[in-house]
Amino acid sequence: AQSVTQLGSHVSVSEGALVLLRCNYSSSVPPYLFWYVQYPNQGLQLLLKYTTGATLVKGINGFEAEFKKSETSFHLTKPSAHMSDAAEYFCAVSDPGTYKYIFGTGTRLKVLA
Amino acid sequence: NAGVTQTPKFQVLKTGQSMTLQCAQDMNHNSMYWYRQDPGMGLRLIYYSASEGTTDKGEVPNGYNVSRLNKREFSLRLESAAPSQTSVYFCASSEIVGNGYTFGSGTRLTVV
Repeated sequence: AQSVTQLGSHVSVSEGALVLLRCNYSSSVPPYLFWYVQYPNQGLQLLLKYTTGATLVKGINGFEAEFKKSETSFHLTKPSAHMSDAAEYFCAVSDPGTYKYIFGTGTRLKVLA
Repeated sequence: NAGVTQTPKFQVLKTGQSMTLQCAQDMNHNSMYWYRQDPGMGLRLIYYSASEGTTDKGEVPNGYNVSRLNKREFSLRLESAAPSQTSVYFCASSEIVGNGYTFGSGTRLTVV
């Protein structure tokens, strides 16, 4: 069965520093891949997605992610963190042959002034 | 505004009580989902409906039932609430698998 691993339940970065949130999946079949952001007491909002084509995907708020099939990874990056980026981030992958997504356990990003 | 609407936003139940969480979407999406979110566990799928007229169990269906009332509405029922069902519940919808989900704002449920 498909699984998703997000390394680091909490990540702290200084304002202006690089943001790197890690996501690895288990499927040997290239899935659809997603990153969602959740601000406090809100629902989840789609940041970006990979389906096919270019492996470097750009999303909202300056975030991007790169699909690396050989590493079964889809890490999320942003060159320069802003205070407003503080939130919880979830990686999700499609479960092959189904209509379902499998979510990681989330990474809470803290941005230090 | 187009999107997924969940009601209620907050609810406190006593153990053994029943309730129904409502979800409606106005984007003409085919698939709808119910997830629960618990600290450190991410989102876990309770039930989903790939299309109108069908429902299937997800990862954690015990203690819940669902109804896909029509294409717009997908409700989640707790027949006899237990403290272990204290959680934040999210409804989501999707047109096709590759497009991603649109989430509602959630229902925060506490069972005492």
